[in-house]
Amino acid sequence: GAGVSQTPSNKVTEKGKYVELRCDPISGHTALYWYRQSLGQGPEFLIYFQGTGAADDSGLPNDRFFAVRPEGSVSTLKIQRTERGDSAVYLCASSLNGGLYTDTQYFGPGTRLTVL
Amino acid sequence: AQTVTQSQPEMSVQEAETVTLSCTYDTSESDYYLFWYKQPPSRQMILVIRQEAYKQQNATENRFSVNFQKAAKSFSLKISDSQLGDAAMYFCAPFGGTYKYIFGTGTRLKVLA
Repeated sequence: GAGVSQTPSNKVTEKGKYVELRCDPISGHTALYWYRQSLGQGPEFLIYFQGTGAADDSGLPNDRFFAVRPEGSVSTLKIQRTERGDSAVYLCASSLNGGLYTDTQYFGPGTRLTVL
Repeated sequence: AQTVTQSQPEMSVQEAETVTLSCTYDTSESDYYLFWYKQPPSRQMILVIRQEAYKQQNATENRFSVNFQKAAKSFSLKISDSQLGDAAMYFCAPFGGTYKYIFGTGTRLKVLA
């Protein structure tokens, strides 16, 4: 596609529920990134995929968070047993090659997750 | 580790005027890029301008330009002829030695008609 897309745009869930957030990167981009943006803050890194594998998941806050990219394109961020503190905007980005500081990341519009 | 400081939580500018947003950073990398991203209410992070640290010449993109002071680790963004559509959050991000963007806390820019 022309840009990075994310679905849903907004997600409201109840504490303790499971949610999935989807990211469609720019076609041909091998690298995919997830960031989390809390209110009044800049985005914070969660995980980086190179192809199908998670090259770095050091930003995932705990084991309730998990992400996959089974075919090297679409990625899903999964959050189990959601907590109110998980409420944030989840941003996805992709880049052509990844792992290079010369590689610009292009962002999607984000998913706003609200945990009641 | 890289750190970023944007000391201006909010700035205002009159339409058609010029405004400068400041950013200081710290990095141990010798080769790196610096980015300014804009985030309007639509939430999407939009690349505004990019500067290669090894280049002495300041980057320019139409009405947007940077003042890059490598020794001082300063990377300010100048917006000329401000337009209503420039109203947004602006984030500075140094990028080097790692694939993770490290963003500052942002500066909210208001453009007054």
